[in-house]
Amino acid sequence: GQQLNQNPQSMFIQEGEDVSMNCTSSSIFNTWLWYKQDPGEGPVLLIALYKAGELTSNGRLTAQFGITRKDSFLNISASIPSDVGIYFCAGQLGQGAQKLVFGQGTRLTINP
Amino acid sequence: DAGITQSPRHKVTETGTPVTLRCHQTENHRYMYWYRQDPGHGLRLIHYSYGVKDTDKGEVSDGYSVSRSKTEDFLLTLESATSSQTSVYFCAISGDYTEAFFGQGTRLTVV
Repeated sequence: GQQLNQNPQSMFIQEGEDVSMNCTSSSIFNTWLWYKQDPGEGPVLLIALYKAGELTSNGRLTAQFGITRKDSFLNISASIPSDVGIYFCAGQLGQGAQKLVFGQGTRLTINP
Repeated sequence: DAGITQSPRHKVTETGTPVTLRCHQTENHRYMYWYRQDPGHGLRLIHYSYGVKDTDKGEVSDGYSVSRSKTEDFLLTLESATSSQTSVYFCAISGDYTEAFFGQGTRLTVV
């Protein structure tokens, strides 16, 4: 099946640093989604992107829908301890989440 | 939370036994999904439903069956559990034009 390449797979940073991660695909998507998963919990939607080139912010988080529609980026500014978790990108081809394709996740660890 | 409850949250079962996981929603959303999450694989779709009694297979459906007799409930059944089905299972829901929201997961161990 389709796959998204999510990078990096893991990150170890100091509190206060900025974080960048990305997802790339060989296929075009109509929607890009970014989820965060805390230990023992289900993924929680952070940001949804619907148009190529779109840049959307949610607090310290900023995500962009790539112009080619084959990639997306997530940035976290001034990281804090509660940012720890696994971040997943997902590309959506059409209506309904059955057309969602997930990346393998970026595990973020923060040293205080 | 988006009104999704998964039960049980944890289960240990023996190889060869049947297992049923339940997903219950209070949002009246049309679509319901079952995913499994394994290290290095992200989230993979097992089955999904687009209405009562309407279901279809996902990427990793072998060894699993589902049923949806009511809008609010979506059941995932492992007819004869195997060790390869040890995983964390997530239910998700979405409306016609909404993103997917996930439950808290069920950790299943097959010994």
